[in-house]
Amino acid sequence: QVQLVQSGAEVKKPGASVKVSCKASGYTFTGYYMHWVRQAPGQGLEWMGWINPNSGGTNYAQKFQGRVTMTRDTSISTAYMELSRLRSDDTAVYYCARDQGAIVVVVAATYYFDYWGQGTLVTVSS
Amino acid sequence: AIRITQSPSSLSASTGDRVTITCRASQGISSYLAWYQQKPGKAPKLLIYAASTLQSGVPSRFSGSGSGTDFTLTISCLQSEDFATYYCQQYYSYPLTFGGGTKVEIK
Repeated sequence: QVQLVQSGAEVKKPGASVKVSCKASGYTFTGYYMHWVRQAPGQGLEWMGWINPNSGGTNYAQKFQGRVTMTRDTSISTAYMELSRLRSDDTAVYYCARDQGAIVVVVAATYYFDYWGQGTLVTVSS
Repeated sequence: AIRITQSPSSLSASTGDRVTITCRASQGISSYLAWYQQKPGKAPKLLIYAASTLQSGVPSRFSGSGSGTDFTLTISCLQSEDFATYYCQQYYSYPLTFGGGTKVEIK
């Protein structure tokens, strides 16, 4: 069965960086885009961007351009999201979420999300 | 960015009730809309995509409708496990955006 297992909670100081991992299993990792979505405490959902695990190509929300970097290691089926220059309003649960559309033969990403990681709480506090 | 206005922000209902949640997009998005259910402390779960297509394994009491700018999620007969927060998401254009959520609470 498809599983996305994320790294554990982090506490960071303002100005620092955080790198969250998302290990995929139960499917072909390079066959589906991986998205990152965050949720501030008690708030709604915010899309941050995606990575194509096959090519390494990325597309970031403009809000995060220059601060976010999404990478992957196909040898261990793991995607990463690094956010730099952290601020207090970056405190949130960060989720990885698999795109439902396969990209094996043609890129048929759907841009909605069928499997999610359990979430990683990142707390930014001095 | 396309803004999604979701209403109501919360509602109280009883088991067995019919519940309707609405999302309105700031511009036309055809049928590029998905619905998710989120329970406290858990990740969202995909319920519906393409405005009205039920995700595999989702009970048939959930249904979606609409196109263009106005969309609805209906739960035909609310069950105890349906008390949760519901979000819609547009995937018509970047950035992908979500509605603000509707919390369905027990009356």
